[in-house]
Parts: sequence; structure tokens; C-alpha cells
Amino acid sequence: GENVEQHPSTLSVQEGDSAVIKCTYSDSASNYFPWYKQELGKGPQLIIDIRSNVGEKKDQRIAVTLNKTAKHFSLHITETQPEDSAVYFCAASWDSSASKIIFGSGTRLSIRP
Amino acid sequence: DTEVTQTPKHLVMGMTNKKSLKCEQHMGHRAMYWYKQKAKKPPELMFVYSYEKLSINESVPSRFSPECPNSSLLNLHLHALQPEDSALYLCASSPYSGGSLETQYFGPGTRLLVL
Repeated sequence: GENVEQHPSTLSVQEGDSAVIKCTYSDSASNYFPWYKQELGKGPQLIIDIRSNVGEKKDQRIAVTLNKTAKHFSLHITETQPEDSAVYFCAASWDSSASKIIFGSGTRLSIRP
Repeated sequence: DTEVTQTPKHLVMGMTNKKSLKCEQHMGHRAMYWYKQKAKKPPELMFVYSYEKLSINESVPSRFSPECPNSSLLNLHLHALQPEDSALYLCASSPYSGGSLETQYFGPGTRLLVL
């Protein structure tokens, strides 16, 4: 079955700097890669996603890149702000009769003022 | 509106109690999910309903019993739980237009403590 590995497990960056979180997946059939942000005491919220027919996607300060050959994808946050502090999960999914997604282990991002 | 609501927010129950968690969405989504999340871990899939029928049960113990009364509601009935079942229980929904890739939208969760 699919396995998603995520690094680093914790990340601390200075406010205003960039943060990068990396994930690898094992199943070449995976073709949908969402990223979720989970703040303390809340459920995961989708922040950006990418499909396998696209190599990069941007939404304001957030971007995701996908390398299908190497089976890895990354989240880039630029100009980090205190409100970016949260746990971030990458995930992978594929066409199936039900939308089952496999999560990475999570990255706790802290923004230092 | 991409809102999934869950009640209650917090629940404390004894090992002999029976309780239910409720989830509701009004986005017209036809797939709904229950996840369990332990501290500092990713969500773990428990059940998937598509078109109000149970399509995936991830070998969850029978003390957890899901129910989907209609396309907007999802319940999780709890009975004779163990302390290790204490966790954040998350509900999610997705459009499910028949096998295509779809985003799952999560609710805020119910934090359950079993004493």
C-alpha cells in the first residue's frame, strides 16, 4: 500500500523567512497530493493541493511542487508570519471508488518573532 | 461554504457508557468519513460512507458503530470504550462524483476522554 514520509518533524524559522516541508510517496499510482494545516484544537484545513498533471502550484505565499519521477512533493511558505505556526500534513491519494488519502507524519512549524 | 460541523466539542465518558458523536455537512457531499487522531499523530481513517452506504471499514473494533441516516448526517455510536480510545475524532466529507480525485473537508473534531 501507499506510504508517505514527511520531513522534518519540527521546523523553526524566523518570521519573514521561508519554510520548506518535504514529502515522498511510494505508490506511483498516487495522483493527488493535498496539504493540510492543523492549528491547536482544530481539525485539519486544506491549504493547497496539486494533481499529478501539474508540476507546481502557487497561492499567494504558499506553493507546492511535485516531482513525479522522484515521487516527492514539497510545500514552500514564503514571508512566514506568526499565524503560520501550526502542524502541517502532506497526503497522497489516487483514483478509487472512495477518496482514501494517506497522511504523512506531520511537521510542527514554529515561527520565531 | 465548506463547513463540516461536529457535536459535541468535548466528551467525557466511562467505560460502561453509551454515547454518540454527530457530524453534519450541507455541501451536498456524498462521501463522509470518520478519522481518529491521537496526539502528535496524523489522522487515521476509520470508516468511509459513500452514498449513505458503508464502503470502507478499516478493521475498527465493534465498540465503534457508524451510522449514516441521510446524505448530510453521520453518527458514530460509542459503547464500552477503553481508555486508549481517548483521542480527537474527526469527521470529513468530499463531493464523491464517482472515483475522481476530491478534496476532503474536515470538521473541528470531538475530543473524547474515556475514564
